[in-house]
Amino acid sequence: GIQVEQSPPDLILQEGANSTLRCNFSDSVNNLQWFHQNPWGQLINLFYIPSGTKQNGRLSATTVATERYSLLYISSSQTTDSGVYFCAVDSGTYKYIFGTGTRLKVLA
Amino acid sequence: GAVVSQHPSRVICKSGTSVKIECRSLDFQATTMFWYRQFPKQSLMLMATSNEGSKATYEQGVEKDKFLINHASLTLSTLTVTSAHPEDSSFYICSASVRAYNEQFFGPGTRLTVL
Repeated sequence: GIQVEQSPPDLILQEGANSTLRCNFSDSVNNLQWFHQNPWGQLINLFYIPSGTKQNGRLSATTVATERYSLLYISSSQTTDSGVYFCAVDSGTYKYIFGTGTRLKVLA
Repeated sequence: GAVVSQHPSRVICKSGTSVKIECRSLDFQATTMFWYRQFPKQSLMLMATSNEGSKATYEQGVEKDKFLINHASLTLSTLTVTSAHPEDSSFYICSASVRAYNEQFFGPGTRLTVL
């Protein structure tokens, strides 16, 4: 089955810093989503982005489907950005495979 | 829009009892709902996919007689953990989509602790 790897696994930032999170996948995908899991466990939809580039405030994402990766950019990070970021991909089976996650901690 | 609720948010039960978890799509009709399990500091693992009015499809290694799934309407799916044991303690999360291949929206999760 498809493999989904995220990097880095852990990231510590000072408030105000920028960061790039990466999601690599081993096969072509039909769907791709980025999520933020907050400290209470809630998964928050950030982007539905099987291809192309999207922006939402301080966050933006780019998926290059032909090269099998997606990037999530966080600019001017805030302490409320802390949590775990997951990408999830569907390779045509209508089932999401979640990546390994990036655990982000933003320090005040 | 696209809000999914789960109930209860937290449950503690004794070994051998059954626990039912509800997943509701509040402002849209979900033809497909998914159930995931997440152990501490790990990623989400898909347990099963349920389509309204039909039997759920379980992932390899998930016991269908232990984890009973019912998707009785376009807004409600239930997961029943039967004869729960301590190893079933986990964070259970549901998601819903309008169609199987569309964007998924996730519930807030249910933390199950089996004593």
